[in-house]
Amino acid sequence: DVVMTQSPLSLPVTLGQPASISCKSSQSLVHSDGNTYLNWFQQRPGQSPRRLIYQVSNRDSGVPDRFSGSGSGTDFALNISRVEAEDVGVYYCMQSTRWPLTFGGGTKVEIK
Amino acid sequence: EVQLVESGGHLVQPGGSLRLSCAASGFTFSNYDMSWFRQAPGKGLEWVSDFSGVDGNTYYADSVKGRFTISRDNSKNMLYLQMISLRVEDTATYYCARRPPGTVDYWGQGTLVTVSS
Repeated sequence: DVVMTQSPLSLPVTLGQPASISCKSSQSLVHSDGNTYLNWFQQRPGQSPRRLIYQVSNRDSGVPDRFSGSGSGTDFALNISRVEAEDVGVYYCMQSTRWPLTFGGGTKVEIK
Repeated sequence: EVQLVESGGHLVQPGGSLRLSCAASGFTFSNYDMSWFRQAPGKGLEWVSDFSGVDGNTYYADSVKGRFTISRDNSKNMLYLQMISLRVEDTATYYCARRPPGTVDYWGQGTLVTVSS
């Protein structure tokens, strides 16, 4: 199975400041079709997951443009340019290149 | 608007059985693969099972293989997860989700399964 390793585990951030979450995979996430199926999800307290980013850097409709995804191969990142109060929650990366689907352990974003 | 609504979760004893349901609306259900995921209390997300909308193939995590069965009724826009021989470690919120090629996009609100004596 592809192991997804996220860091940090916890990310205290000052409102208005940037935040960055790292996600590393144990194998390349480049599919045989040439695409890289790396996704980012946000889970606010008490809610179900919401997809933010798919295929590394494609932002979902309705997701603020302060969220951006980057990376390639085995190293990926989710960046928040200016953290707002509504961004509090746990963020997960998930690979869907290889079976089985696997998730990172999550990064808890909280306000300092 | 895509909606996924899970039901069927409740308290069950170890070794017991349960069937979860997921009612889908707002999209052409038969065109999509569908998945079940779970999240143990205070823990991360885990993929459980997939059902291909195109070829009917099913896939399972090793942790549930032989105990869980995924099925769907395209005429009713319903996804199911039959769970037998439940274990304490199966305690989790179970989510159904839509699986476009190469990703997961919409998730339901989840249904809680508690396995305890």
